[in-house]
Amino acid sequence: EAGVTQFPSHSVIEKGQTVTLRCDPISGHDNLYWYRRVMGKEIKFLLHFVKESKQDESGMPNNRFLAERTGGTYSTLKVQPAELEDSGVYFCASSQTGLHTEAFFGQGTRLTVV
Amino acid sequence: AQSVTQLGSHVSVSEGALVLLRCNYSSSVPPYLFWYVQYPNQGLQLLLKYTSAATLVKGINGFEAEFKKSETSFHLTKPSAHMSDAAEYFCAVSDKSGGSYIPTFGRGTSLIVHP
Repeated sequence: EAGVTQFPSHSVIEKGQTVTLRCDPISGHDNLYWYRRVMGKEIKFLLHFVKESKQDESGMPNNRFLAERTGGTYSTLKVQPAELEDSGVYFCASSQTGLHTEAFFGQGTRLTVV
Repeated sequence: AQSVTQLGSHVSVSEGALVLLRCNYSSSVPPYLFWYVQYPNQGLQLLLKYTSAATLVKGINGFEAEFKKSETSFHLTKPSAHMSDAAEYFCAVSDKSGGSYIPTFGRGTSLIVHP
């Protein structure tokens, strides 16, 4: 069974450009999470989807970040326009419905804004 | 609100020595606790989790952790370190404060194993 996959694995963009990250969760997982880790700091929660609905987006830094999960399958996270402080590793995770079910993580996308 | 503190950004041990990675949590309700590991160039992988059953939890690769409510701790241990244990380890807490069970992570501890 395929795990959580994220594309691209690395992205280097200039300040002011737009970048779109993609996450394909494990098939059948209703829950999808986005997290971000800035170098040396904690892994911070960004938002949580249940199927196609945003359950909690309290961690989104600002309105330059837009996440979507059309059809409740894969998700995209767009940063527009990118700023230097957006650099970091963006993780996606998915889990089944249920109490404290394990969240499976992708390998992450390393975003560098120069 | 829930939070996690991992003491020590780096821990260095000799191969065969005891591994102890510290984690303290803060939670307003009984928590669920997790340890994840990230090997180089890989995603996060669940090592073990505490979900209010036995306080001593055994995980993969010989790791275990003990939930101590009085100390608000969930330290990760392994009796004998292997070179392959070198990785970054993250402690996480999850409770229903705010209405959803979203894990909150610590800053991570890099485990260095030297011969």
